[in-house]
Amino acid sequence: GAVVSQHPSWVICKSGTSVKIECRSLDFQATTMFWYRQFPKQSLMLMATSNEGSKATYEQGVEKDKFLINHASLTLSTLTVTSAHPEDSSFYICSAAVTGTSGTSVYGEQYFGPGTRLTVT
Amino acid sequence: AQSVTQLDSHVSVSEGTPVLLRCNYSSSYSPSLFWYVQHPNKGLQLLLKYTSAATLVKGINGFEAEFKKSETSFHLTKPSAHMSDAAEYFCVVGGGAQKLVFGQGTRLTINP
Repeated sequence: GAVVSQHPSWVICKSGTSVKIECRSLDFQATTMFWYRQFPKQSLMLMATSNEGSKATYEQGVEKDKFLINHASLTLSTLTVTSAHPEDSSFYICSAAVTGTSGTSVYGEQYFGPGTRLTVT
Repeated sequence: AQSVTQLDSHVSVSEGTPVLLRCNYSSSYSPSLFWYVQHPNKGLQLLLKYTSAATLVKGINGFEAEFKKSETSFHLTKPSAHMSDAAEYFCVVGGGAQKLVFGQGTRLTINP
């Protein structure tokens, strides 16, 4: 099946530093990747939609200058949390949408990575 | 706008008994609906999806869900719970442009 990896699986950083999280589709090409944020015992909230070769589309209330997203290839998207603060501590999850043989995405076929736990001290 | 409401934040059942996880949706058009499961420290896994075909959808691991338009519901069921079913379950509605809108989640506990 389609596998999505994330690296690192967990990271601890000091306040004010930046952290980069990678999301890779290992055995398929994903034209669209999504970034979610999940606080403890809460649901997933979509942060942004990332399309290969174009700028990401951010959800309302998400600071695009703080959460930099780059989708440079069909198998890699990165999320950089800039100048991280303790309130940015969370579980960050990416997903990748499968592209159908016709070139269109198979709606709903999002494959999720295992998540990255970020702790900012 | 699309939304989902999971009616129970926590469900506890005994092993071997039926499971029912309730979900109601709101959609301005014919929705695509999904159930995902999240095991601790693991990624989300798609259990099943409804995309306007058969109203009774069968998924993996013995789970199934029935789409009821009149009740705007998409409840998840399993006839006999197994210890390995303990996890967090999310009811999800397609929000357009491939976006997914997640419910708040239901934590399923299986008692031996």
